[in-house]
Amino acid sequence: SQTIHQWPATLVQPVGSPLSLECTVEGTSNPNLYWYRQAAGRGLQLLFYSVGIGQISSEVPQNLSASRPQDRQFILSSKKLLLSDSGFYLCAWSSGSASYNEQFFGPGTRLTVL
Amino acid sequence: AQSVTQLDSQVPVFEEAPVELRCNYSSSVSVYLFWYVQYPNQGLQLLLKYLSGSTLVKGINGFEAEFNKSQTSFHLRKPSVHISDTAEYFCAVKGSARQLTFGSGTQLTVLP
Repeated sequence: SQTIHQWPATLVQPVGSPLSLECTVEGTSNPNLYWYRQAAGRGLQLLFYSVGIGQISSEVPQNLSASRPQDRQFILSSKKLLLSDSGFYLCAWSSGSASYNEQFFGPGTRLTVL
Repeated sequence: AQSVTQLDSQVPVFEEAPVELRCNYSSSVSVYLFWYVQYPNQGLQLLLKYLSGSTLVKGINGFEAEFNKSQTSFHLRKPSVHISDTAEYFCAVKGSARQLTFGSGTQLTVLP
């Protein structure tokens, strides 16, 4: 069966510090991968998605970036965090071959920028 | 373009009462529809999905939803809720866009 992992689970970082969040998927190959952010009291905001190694689409311009160095690894990064980057970050995957794009979510990372 | 509107941001309901969470969508093509549930500090879990066929879809935890094409709706229902159903619920649609589009969420709070 497929599983999706995210780490760390929680993170507290000062403004201006770098960020690296990691997501890995097991039990599937060639998945579509997604990064979402949930700010307090708000819905899901799609940040990035990837249909293959090295292929990243950005949905929202910001100081975050994403990379996909391996088929089942998706990384969210920032060189300098802002206060507004605080939130709950979710990684998700969907089958690359399915037309309906049902997404499966990881447990999330709670990021607090102070 | 595709979009999803969840009409209620907060729905309080007493335990063992029925509940309906409303979802309307807009799309220029045929759609696939989903409901997800999110418990505090957790990821989203799929409750149910409509891909084709019967318009009444049954999901986990006793939830069901009905696809109504003429009203472009996909409302979620449960005949009797429990305290453990307290969570945020998201409706999502896949139409012409490459990705799912999520609604803004409905916080269901079940009161004792």
